[in-house]
Amino acid sequence: KAGVTQTPRYLIKTRGQQVTLSCSPISGHRSVSWYQQTPGQGLQFLFEYFSETQRNKGNFPGRFSGRQFSNSRSEMNVSTLELGDSALYLCASIQDRGNNEQFFGPGTRLTVL
Amino acid sequence: AQTVTQSQPEMSVQEAETVTLSCTYDTSENNYYLFWYKQPPSRQMILVIRQEAYKQQNATENRFSVNFQKAAKSFSLKISDSQLGDTAMYFCAWSPSGTYKYIFGTGTRLKVLA
Repeated sequence: KAGVTQTPRYLIKTRGQQVTLSCSPISGHRSVSWYQQTPGQGLQFLFEYFSETQRNKGNFPGRFSGRQFSNSRSEMNVSTLELGDSALYLCASIQDRGNNEQFFGPGTRLTVL
Repeated sequence: AQTVTQSQPEMSVQEAETVTLSCTYDTSENNYYLFWYKQPPSRQMILVIRQEAYKQQNATENRFSVNFQKAAKSFSLKISDSQLGDTAMYFCAWSPSGTYKYIFGTGTRLKVLA
């Protein structure tokens, strides 16, 4: 089985712009979660989707949003980018067998200038 | 609020020796999962080992084992016969049953020395 795919792998934006990141989970997995990883804050949960519905949301401002499509692919969007949004954004694919195990993608490295 | 604490920012170990990484967590919930993930310099997070809170038996995966002390809220990872490929950041994570939200610790950078 192919692993979790995240595109693009690297992205450079300027303050005020918006960005959309994409995640394709492992085939057959219906849940996807997103995390932000920074040196200062570590790994923080953004949100989790199952069958196109957001089930959980972390403590991030409304500028951070996401969605999931019928094929389980997910996108996250960050509007009005700030310097502090520079981070590695990780997507995880969830098998949904009740054991809470998540399979992480390689991440998208976002740099905001 | 639930928290996960990894008190060792960096550790090193000689190849073939044993090392233990510490993790403590704080929660009032009774049903949850605990994980150790490895993040090598390539950045892909890989699951090392998983422990269900309702299981008293400590999980083991080849050279990796945990010491799970539920009452003490402690979840340490022991790596035996350390290999150079074990060099990575190791993250401890807690997740309540019924959700897929992970709370991560700040990580321990492990370096295996030849």
